[in-house]
This record gives sequence, C-alpha cells and structure tokens, in this order.
Amino acid sequence: DAMVIQNPRYQVTQFGKPVTLSCSQTLNHNVMYWYQQKSSQAPKLLFHYYDKDFNNEADTPDNFQSRRPNTSFCFLDIRSPGLGDAAMYLCATSRGVSREKLFFGSGTQLSVL
Amino acid sequence: AQKITQTQPGMFVQEKEAVTLDCTYDTSDQSYGLFWYKQPSSGEMIFLIYQGSYDEQNATEGRYSLNFQKARKSANLVISASQLGDSAMYFCAMRYNNNDMRFGAGTRLTVKP
Repeated sequence: DAMVIQNPRYQVTQFGKPVTLSCSQTLNHNVMYWYQQKSSQAPKLLFHYYDKDFNNEADTPDNFQSRRPNTSFCFLDIRSPGLGDAAMYLCATSRGVSREKLFFGSGTQLSVL
Repeated sequence: AQKITQTQPGMFVQEKEAVTLDCTYDTSDQSYGLFWYKQPSSGEMIFLIYQGSYDEQNATEGRYSLNFQKARKSANLVISASQLGDSAMYFCAMRYNNNDMRFGAGTRLTVKP
C-alpha cells in the first residue's frame, strides 16, 4: 500500500543528458517536495509545490526544474546532469498544515556517468 | 535564520539500553513543529515522533520519547530498550509556517549486541 511512489528506484544517466524523476501519491496531499540527499548528508530541500504554487529554494541550481501536472504527480527534471548531481532524490508529501509530518517515498538513486 | 544542529555524528549503544540523540534548533518563530525521522540503509525516511512548539507535554511513541526543552531550544530523542534494528541514521527536523521542513546533519546510531 505504497502512498508515495518514486520511479525508478535506480536511475543511470550520462553527463549532460536530461533526466526526469517521477513521484506519485495516493494521499491527495496538497504539498509535494523534492529533496536531494548526498551520501551521509542531510536531505536538502530543492523546491516544493503547494497545490500549483511553486516554491523554489534560493540556492537550488537552475539546472533543476519541476512540474506538477496534477495533484497526484510531480516530476523532477535535471536539464544537464553533472557528476555532482549524483545523489538520492527523495519525494515527500504533506497535507499542508505546518504541524503535519511529511510522508516520504523510497527515493531514486541517481548515478551520472 | 532557521537552523537545526545535531552534534553527534555517530553514537553507539548496547542492545537493551537507552540512548539519547541530541538536537538543538534556532528559530524566531513562535509556532513550529519538531520531528524525528529514521533512515535505515535502505534509504526510506521513517517518521518516528512529533513535538509541537505549544505542546506542554513531551511526546512519546512506544519506545521513542522526545525530551523537549523549549527555553533551551532542544528536542532530544530518547530511544529506550535499544534493538539491533534501531541501527540507522536519525534526523531531527523542524517545520515552519511556510511549509518548509529542514533537517539536521543526522546521527548514525549503531546498536551493539
């Protein structure tokens, strides 16, 4: 009964070749987040959507884009992946109330060759 | 600026003993939420416990309890009767009114048999 689903679990791309990571949710939550987590580090917030409102973190590189075509789906696009973009990418959702916990997917481990 | 600090990169505990993982935070907001997540080697983020800034009593969830000291801005996680399956990374996180959730650097807990 997965509630936040990320596909694929492992993704390999080439240096400079665009890649898209996907996330879907069955919780009907208002807010969807993308985090980047490098080995042995804390998850770093890239951006989030509150419904259709996009909120970008100030230090998120322009190379990272996101789309949320509907409530259930959210995509992370990396336009020109560099070696430094190899990481675990975590999708999370919440109902939008500030005291609500986040529900996380299993993550997509991105490798850049 | 909002900041979460976990000063213990690694901790060891003997099986069946209790352990405290430290977390301090810095915020000027009056309303916020504090969370602890567990991340096993599989990578998924598992919610453990929540404490609201206005909650007067310390949160408890089974073997997990949160030692919340608001004046000192600390929210330490106490795990009682440690089990081998508790070995994982543990992240303290804070949620703000703008829906962001930010994480500390994490503590790697190892439970020894």
